[in-house]
Amino acid sequence: KNEVEQSPQNLTAQEGEFITINCSYSVGISALHWLQQHPGGGIVSLFMLSSGKKKHGRLIATINIQEKHSSLHITASHPRDSAVYICAVSSYGGSQGNLIFGKGTKLSVKP
Amino acid sequence: KAGVTQTPRYLIKTRGQQVTLSCSPISGHRSVSWYQQTPGQGLQFLFEYFSETQRNKGNFPGRFSGRQFSNSRSEMNVSTLELGDSALYLCASSLDVSAYNEQFFGPGTRLTVL
Repeated sequence: KNEVEQSPQNLTAQEGEFITINCSYSVGISALHWLQQHPGGGIVSLFMLSSGKKKHGRLIATINIQEKHSSLHITASHPRDSAVYICAVSSYGGSQGNLIFGKGTKLSVKP
Repeated sequence: KAGVTQTPRYLIKTRGQQVTLSCSPISGHRSVSWYQQTPGQGLQFLFEYFSETQRNKGNFPGRFSGRQFSNSRSEMNVSTLELGDSALYLCASSLDVSAYNEQFFGPGTRLTVL
């Protein structure tokens, strides 16, 4: 069993829909990261969370440390949100570079 | 401020050869991490460097090595290339090794081994 599990693996949505991507992990963590990867490979860090909730524009990330679960929400989705979203964790006591990654969720938003 | 740069962007090698990839971090960042991404295994941690010292290494064979220079630039080397080494190699930089620092990723080097 992977230490970081994401669901769903693939997600197709219509423009304007509310989207939720889930991440569950089985290790103690210092921080959880949500990353976005567009075709071509470039990765952008969206959020880093150690507790609670963060919001950037239409993106919201939440984490429940007790349940070892995080969600990434996209409100009013747009075709430009189409990308792979990757959840990654820094295990407790570990350093920021030593990340454990989920397999990613491929999101396609149709106009 | 310039982002993380990686060179070369694309590379084709044959089995048995060796390859060196380069990563220049954002100015002022002292920590560099390397990752391998393949369709089968996804993203996997390779190494982490801080102040010219390797702090952590992932579960990869000894053919994978790296180093960091005094200006924080980093290189990774893969010797005796195998077909399975074909992957996107990404580096990321951050201010230091704190788990609470954001990482900034480079565009990656796509290595194809024939």
